[in-house]
Amino acid sequence: GAGVSQSPSNKVTEKGKDVELRCDPISGHTALYWYRQSLGQGLEFLIYFQGNSAPDKSGLPSDRFSAERTGGSVSTLTIQRTQQEDSAVYLCASKLRLQETQYFGPGTRLLVL
Amino acid sequence: GENVEQHPSTLSVQEGDSAVIKCTYSDSASNYFPWYKQELGKRPQLIIDIRSNVGEKKDQRIAVTLNKTAKHFSLHITETQPEDSAVYFCAATGGTSYGKLTFGQGTILTVHP
Repeated sequence: GAGVSQSPSNKVTEKGKDVELRCDPISGHTALYWYRQSLGQGLEFLIYFQGNSAPDKSGLPSDRFSAERTGGSVSTLTIQRTQQEDSAVYLCASKLRLQETQYFGPGTRLLVL
Repeated sequence: GENVEQHPSTLSVQEGDSAVIKCTYSDSASNYFPWYKQELGKRPQLIIDIRSNVGEKKDQRIAVTLNKTAKHFSLHITETQPEDSAVYFCAATGGTSYGKLTFGQGTILTVHP
C-alpha cells in the first residue's frame, strides 16, 4: 500500500512568511508524529497526534509552531513568521496505535532566506 | 525526559569488515529501541528493532544487542557492503512517552570498496 506522503517536498520562503507543511499518513494509522531534522543533526520530536487530538505538544519550539489533524488522517504543521533557524527537514511518521514501528514520510525540506 | 547518546559520529570501514554503532539511553522505562538507516536525501527506514524483554536480535547481516542494566544497545553489521553506506540512527521510547522516539545524533557509515 501507499506509504506516508508529505508535501511540498521542498519549500523556500522569506523570513517572516508563514508556511504550511502537509502529511498524509498510512491509511488506518491513528498515531502521527512530526519530527524536525536540522542539518547534520538527529531527529527532534515536535508533536504527537492520536486521532485528531494532540496529547503531546512538548517538542514544539515556540508558539509560532502549530499543528492540526482532521478526520484522523491528514495533518498540517504551520510555522508562522518563519525565522532562518526554522530551516530544516520536517519529517512526519505514522503508526498503528498498538504497534511500535513508525513509518516515515520523505520529509519537507524548508529553507528560510 | 529520555536522552540518547550515539557513538561514533562517523565510521569508515573496508568492504567485508564489521561495523558496530553504540547507543546509551537514560530512561529506565524505555522498552523499545529501533534502528533507522537514512540514505542521502531519503526518508529514514527501519532496519531492525529490539524490545526490552529480548537481549539480542539478528536479521541476516544485521544484529542488535541490548543491555538493560547498563542502558545501552548496539548495532552490528557484518560483511559490510558499499550499499550499507548511510547515516544510522538509534532511538528509544517507552513508558508514558506516547511512543515518541528520542533519537541519537546519528552515525555516518562509509564502506569503502
